[in-house]
Amino acid sequence: AQRVTQPEKLLSVFKGAPVELKCNYSYSGSPELFWYVQYSRQRLQLLLRHISRESIKGFTADLNKGETSFHLKKPFAQEEDSAMYYCALLTQGGSEKLVFGKGTKLTVNP
Amino acid sequence: EAQVTQNPRYLITVTGKKLTVTCSQNMNHEYMSWYRQDPGLGLRQIYYSMNVEVTDKGDVPEGYKVSRKEKRNFPLILESPSPNQTSLYFCASSSRLAVNEQFFGPGTRLTVL
Repeated sequence: AQRVTQPEKLLSVFKGAPVELKCNYSYSGSPELFWYVQYSRQRLQLLLRHISRESIKGFTADLNKGETSFHLKKPFAQEEDSAMYYCALLTQGGSEKLVFGKGTKLTVNP
Repeated sequence: EAQVTQNPRYLITVTGKKLTVTCSQNMNHEYMSWYRQDPGLGLRQIYYSMNVEVTDKGDVPEGYKVSRKEKRNFPLILESPSPNQTSLYFCASSSRLAVNEQFFGPGTRLTVL
């Protein structure tokens, strides 16, 4: 069965510190993973996808198939990074759908 | 402007009183989906639709119904709401070929007393 696990409900760091939001997945097929972000009073939106290996707002995430992980990292956190972050897995084979983790609330303190 | 709209944005109702939350998108997307967001449980999919007249259950469909008579609309129906359906509901849509990139609505906060 497909599953996305975000072990940290809450994560608090100081401005300028590195931040890593953990995501592990369980999926029998070829995984496609994504990070979504929800800033306060805003809609959930796609932050980045593993397949493009992009860096968005200073965030990167590398898919590690050996460890079944897709951790989100940023070397120097900013206050505006405070938000709810969801890791998501795209399931395929018939009906595609996104399976979300439970989310991690990141707070960046001044 | 490309967007997903939901109505109402806030609703307080009583147990057993049927209600409908509307969702509309103007991007000609084939795929639409409903999620509920609860503290500590994250986003859970209720129902989704790959195209007109095609709907499927998500992970938590009990107590909900949907319909997809037109491409742009995907209403969520609670025939007999109960307090455990108090939640924040999100509608989302995407191209059928890019389900990973879903556009979300602003959310509907529902309270069932």
